[in-house]
Amino acid sequence: AQSVSQHNHHVILSEAASLELGCNYSYGGTVNLFWYVQYPGQHLQLLLKYFSGDPLVKGIKGFEAEFIKSKFSFNLRKPSVQWSDTAEYFCAVIPYSSASKIIFGSGTRLSIRP
Amino acid sequence: SQTIHQWPATLVQPVGSPLSLECTVEGTSNPNLYWYRQAAGRGLQLLFYSVGIGQISSEVPQNLSASRPQDRQFILSSKKLLLSDSGFYLCAWEEWNSPLHFGNGTRLTVT
Repeated sequence: AQSVSQHNHHVILSEAASLELGCNYSYGGTVNLFWYVQYPGQHLQLLLKYFSGDPLVKGIKGFEAEFIKSKFSFNLRKPSVQWSDTAEYFCAVIPYSSASKIIFGSGTRLSIRP
Repeated sequence: SQTIHQWPATLVQPVGSPLSLECTVEGTSNPNLYWYRQAAGRGLQLLFYSVGIGQISSEVPQNLSASRPQDRQFILSSKKLLLSDSGFYLCAWEEWNSPLHFGNGTRLTVT
């Protein structure tokens, strides 16, 4: 079955540290890839997306993600985190199939120490 | 412009009572519609999705049901709530090859 894995359930960093959140998916075909963020008390927002083209995708708030097809990965990165980045981060995939429904990872909670 | 409305924002219901959560979308036609649940400490779980009026697919067996009486209306229901139904429920819509758009969610507490 198609799935999305986020291996880090809870990440704790200090401000200005660099961030990388892992995301791997299991689907051999073409995919669209997304990272969503949910700040405390708010609803999900789109951080960035990859459909095609340059595998290094720039998103909002200084985030970027790199699609590595050979590794089935779409890791999220930020060179220097801020306290306001404290949130839950979800990786998601839409496989190109007849169903084409979005599949979410289980999420990674990011806590930033001021 | 396209908008999604989901209500109520919060709900406290006793065990065994019925449930009805409503979601409507404006500014689009024939969207795919979804109900997700985010249980405490866990990720998003797809409950139901619909590709058209009257077409509902269920992902997880449970005591919940969904209906799509109109193109842009998606309703999540239960005849008798369980304690384990507590959680954060999100309605979402999408058009082909576009990001998912989420409603503001409903926090359901079953007591």
